[in-house]
Amino acid sequence: DQQVKQNSPSLSVQEGRISILNCDYTNSMFDYFLWYKKYPAEGPTFLISISSIKDKNEDGRFTVFLNKSAKHLSLHIVPSQPGDSAVYFCAAKPDRGSTLGRLYFGRGTQLTVWP
Amino acid sequence: KAGVTQTPRYLIKTRGQQVTLSCSPISGHRSVSWYQQTPGQGLQFLFEYFSETQRNKGNFPGRFSGRQFSNSRSEMNVSTLELGDSALYLCASSTGDFVSYEQYFGPGTRLTVT
Repeated sequence: DQQVKQNSPSLSVQEGRISILNCDYTNSMFDYFLWYKKYPAEGPTFLISISSIKDKNEDGRFTVFLNKSAKHLSLHIVPSQPGDSAVYFCAAKPDRGSTLGRLYFGRGTQLTVWP
Repeated sequence: KAGVTQTPRYLIKTRGQQVTLSCSPISGHRSVSWYQQTPGQGLQFLFEYFSETQRNKGNFPGRFSGRQFSNSRSEMNVSTLELGDSALYLCASSTGDFVSYEQYFGPGTRLTVT
């Protein structure tokens, strides 16, 4: 049951341009969303998060947008840098129920930033 | 603070054997979650432990089990290994108090089953 979906397995962007990574979810009980970045041979690193009471959260070059009605969120990276090349995972947390402590992850999007 | 540590980092086992992986969470974190990562499948949730109790469980067979000790360190065991168990196994720690939801990952254990 893939409740968090990242439909683009890969994205290629030129250095200095904007990278937009997308994520869709199906469970209306999700109320907190996170983005992680993963380099090869390392564990995922927490990047940025957003609560469902907000529609935007910004941290430096990274901004996450949340559209609750469309059950869609996106991560914008501006400007993109070669060091941003990694796999990006979207994750979501339910607000209630027996799985309260669990995060649901998408399958990831490989971002490649070329010079 | 020291980050999440996992041992061993690499492991090669034969089909039918069993394996135990270890995870030490960030100091003060009481929740440990385990994930399996295989190419194209993202992070598949195995289980979560909080205060020595399994609080959540994913859809994996009973060959996959875990436990948590009083110091919050956790172990994961896979019995009767199959070729399909070859994967990166990640553990993540968090406060588990539902105030902060971020999970912090260790570097993973790369398991190869031959």
